[in-house]
Amino acid sequence: QVQLQESGPGLVKPSETLSLSCSVSGDAISDYSWMWMRQSPGKGLEWIGSIYNTGSADYNPSLKSRVTISVVTSKNQFSLDVTSVTTADTAIYYCARGVTSGPYGYFDLWGRGTLVIVSS
Amino acid sequence: DIQIAQFPSSLSASVGDRVTITCRASQNIGSYLNWYQQKPGRAPKVLIFAASTLESGVPSRFAGSGSGTDFTLTISSLQPEDFATYHCQQSYRAPYTFGLGTDLMIK
Repeated sequence: QVQLQESGPGLVKPSETLSLSCSVSGDAISDYSWMWMRQSPGKGLEWIGSIYNTGSADYNPSLKSRVTISVVTSKNQFSLDVTSVTTADTAIYYCARGVTSGPYGYFDLWGRGTLVIVSS
Repeated sequence: DIQIAQFPSSLSASVGDRVTITCRASQNIGSYLNWYQQKPGRAPKVLIFAASTLESGVPSRFAGSGSGTDFTLTISSLQPEDFATYHCQQSYRAPYTFGLGTDLMIK
């Protein structure tokens, strides 16, 4: 059974870098594409970005200049870095797996999410 | 970005009721629309992808329909475990965007 688990600090100071990891168990990380999403209080889900099994990455333009997603194959993990955070980055952060059925993509497995609060 | 309007934002219903949730995309997205269910404190779970394809293991009382800009999720006979928040998401083009969610509550 494939499982995803987010980890990282729950509190980050404004202007610092938010760093999260997602550990994948039960399957090889190199076989799929991987995503980060977040959900701010009272708001809908927001796609942050994806890293594909080709090694390329795609980011939400609203965050693009501040976001990096990378894979550590040896650890079967992928990570998220968001620089220069503000209180607007306070959210529950989810990692997820992306799959396709023909031309249609969707997120079939999600981690349970980790709350990150940006506060001094 | 492709905007997704989802309505209603909340809905009260009883066990056994038939309910419908709607999502409207700001442009034609074909059948690139997915539906997720989220319970409090839990991760979202995919119910339907490609507008109408039921994910493996999802009960048949869930059904998706639509194409182009207008989509619906129908639950034919609500069960107690169906009270949750439902999200739609377009996978037509990045940035992949979600509706704001529908809270389905017990009447």
